[in-house]
Formats: sequence, structure tokens, C-alpha cells
Amino acid sequence: AQKVTQAQTEISVVEKEDVTLDCVYETRDTTYYLFWYKQPPSGELVFLIRRNSFDEQNEISGRYSWNFQKSTSSFNFTITASQVVDSAVYFCALSEAAGANSKLTFGKGITLSVRP
Amino acid sequence: DGGITQSPKYLFRKEGQNVTLSCEQNLNHDAMYWYRQDPGQGLRLIYYSQIVNDFQKGDIAEGYSVSREKKESFPLTVTSAQKNPTAFYLCASSIGRRGGYTFGSGTRLTVV
Repeated sequence: AQKVTQAQTEISVVEKEDVTLDCVYETRDTTYYLFWYKQPPSGELVFLIRRNSFDEQNEISGRYSWNFQKSTSSFNFTITASQVVDSAVYFCALSEAAGANSKLTFGKGITLSVRP
Repeated sequence: DGGITQSPKYLFRKEGQNVTLSCEQNLNHDAMYWYRQDPGQGLRLIYYSQIVNDFQKGDIAEGYSVSREKKESFPLTVTSAQKNPTAFYLCASSIGRRGGYTFGSGTRLTVV
């Protein structure tokens, strides 16, 4: 069975600080996809990134960066120079690719508060 | 624009009543999913459907029912058997193994 653990539940930082959100996953599959979603107070899920298990390159998108390490089964997300608009709940998720349409398994989410 | 429409955004029901949440997509996606979100619990899978006229139970299917008569639609019924139905419900769809997932804006159900 697949599992996603987000050990941090709430993080509070001051604007312009860097913050890293941790994600550890478990799966028996060799092929899988990892995701990060942002959920602002309005409730909709905003897609941030998808990474497949064969691509261990780190990715940077503006102030966002992701560190994927298969050796430790981790897919951590860093926000550089955080802003108040980054305040949201962030979810890490895993999809096993064995099936044609595989379900997403989510972690419990991390509530990030960025104070001015 | 293509997307997923969930309606209504807010829903109130009296205890003991069944209620149906709507989910419609115009993305031509084969698979659709229903998730439930409670504070501190993340999103948990209720039901999913990979093709029309077929669906499978997720992790917390008890007290819920679904149908998939059309590719575009995947309504969720919260029955009176669901002990604690107050939650935020999210519908999603996906196009396949390499595709991403698209989420609706959610329905917040409150039992009064």
C-alpha cells in the first residue's frame, strides 16, 4: 500500500524567510508519480508540480524548488523568500503508475502561515 | 474552458437525510474521483471510477454511494448511514497514466 507522510503539521515564518516542507513516501512500485498541491483558504487545490520516479533532477520554478531523493523516499518543497500570499495548506501526494488511472494518496497537509 | 464543476458550493442538510453532490467535467477524462477533507486529515479517497458504468470503493466508502452513467458526470450521494458527513468534498478527474489530475472547487457539506 502506498503512504505519504507529512510530519510537519503547522509552520509559521516571517515574510522573506525560506521554508522547507517535508514529504516522505512509501510505495512498492518502481514507477510512480509525486505531486505537490497548494490549497489556499478558498479551498480549491492548485497544482504545483508532478515528478515521476525516474527523474531525480531537482526542479526550480521561481521562488519554489523541489528536492527529490529516492534513497530517502523524500520529495521536499522549499519556498525561498516567502510571501504572505504563500500562506496556505500544502499537500504532498503519490500516484502509483501501475494502473491506467491510478488514485492519488495524499499526506495530511502542512499549514503554512507567513506573517508580514 | 475545460474544467470540473462541483455544485453547490455550500450545502446544508438535516440529520438523517440523503444528499447528492454534483460533479461534472468537460475534459474528456476517463477517470473521476471523490475525496473527503477533514481538518488535519488530508484528503481521503471515497470512491473512484476509471470508466463509465464502473467504480471502486476507496478508503472511506461506507455511508456513500456513486454512479457513473456518463463519462462527464460522477455524482456522490451522502446517505443517512454516514455517521459524520460534515466535511469538505472534492471531486477530481484524470486522463490516464501520464496525465495530471484536475480538481473541482469543492462542496462544503454541513449537517444541521
